[in-house]
Amino acid sequence: KAGVTQTPRYLIKTRGQQVTLSCSPISGHRSVSWYQQTPGQGLQFLFEYFSETQRNKGNFPGRFSGRQFSNSRSEMNVSTLELGDSALYLCASSSVPAGDQYFGPGTRLLVL
Amino acid sequence: GENVEQHPSTLSVQEGDSAVIKCTYSDSASNYFPWYKQELGKRPQLIIDIRSNVGEKKDQRIAVTLNKTAKHFSLHITETQPEDSAVYFCAARGDYKLSFGAGTTVTVRA
Repeated sequence: KAGVTQTPRYLIKTRGQQVTLSCSPISGHRSVSWYQQTPGQGLQFLFEYFSETQRNKGNFPGRFSGRQFSNSRSEMNVSTLELGDSALYLCASSSVPAGDQYFGPGTRLLVL
Repeated sequence: GENVEQHPSTLSVQEGDSAVIKCTYSDSASNYFPWYKQELGKRPQLIIDIRSNVGEKKDQRIAVTLNKTAKHFSLHITETQPEDSAVYFCAARGDYKLSFGAGTTVTVRA
């Protein structure tokens, strides 16, 4: 099976802009979770989607949003970017909600 | 919600020695406890997990123990090797929500 893929892998944006990240899960996996990873902050949970419905949401401002499509692919959007949004954004897929997480390679976002 | 605390944040061990990472959780309903390993520049990968009906699980040089009464679980790595150097994350699942610890950076000294 092909693994989890994320696009783009690297992104440079300026403050105030918005960005959309994409995640394609492992075939057959219906759950996609998003995490923000910064040095020293571990894995901060953003949200989880299962069958196109957001099941859980972490403690992030409303500028962070997501959605899932009928083919289980998911997108994450960050509006009005701030310098502090610079991070590695990882998505993970699983066959069931909050199941074994299979991570993608991540999208490294740099906000200038 | 679930709160997972992980200690220590950094751990340096001599090659061949053992490493132990401990995590505590707050939700007594949590029933699934996976561990992930993230090597430098790579994605986290599941290395072992334990469920609430099991007290200990081993896989070659790694083992996990779970104490549900005390609400803590641990990762044990024996005979450490250079390739064990990585960041390790524990996690706990309660109410179908996975919560991660802050991670432990393990360095194996040759």
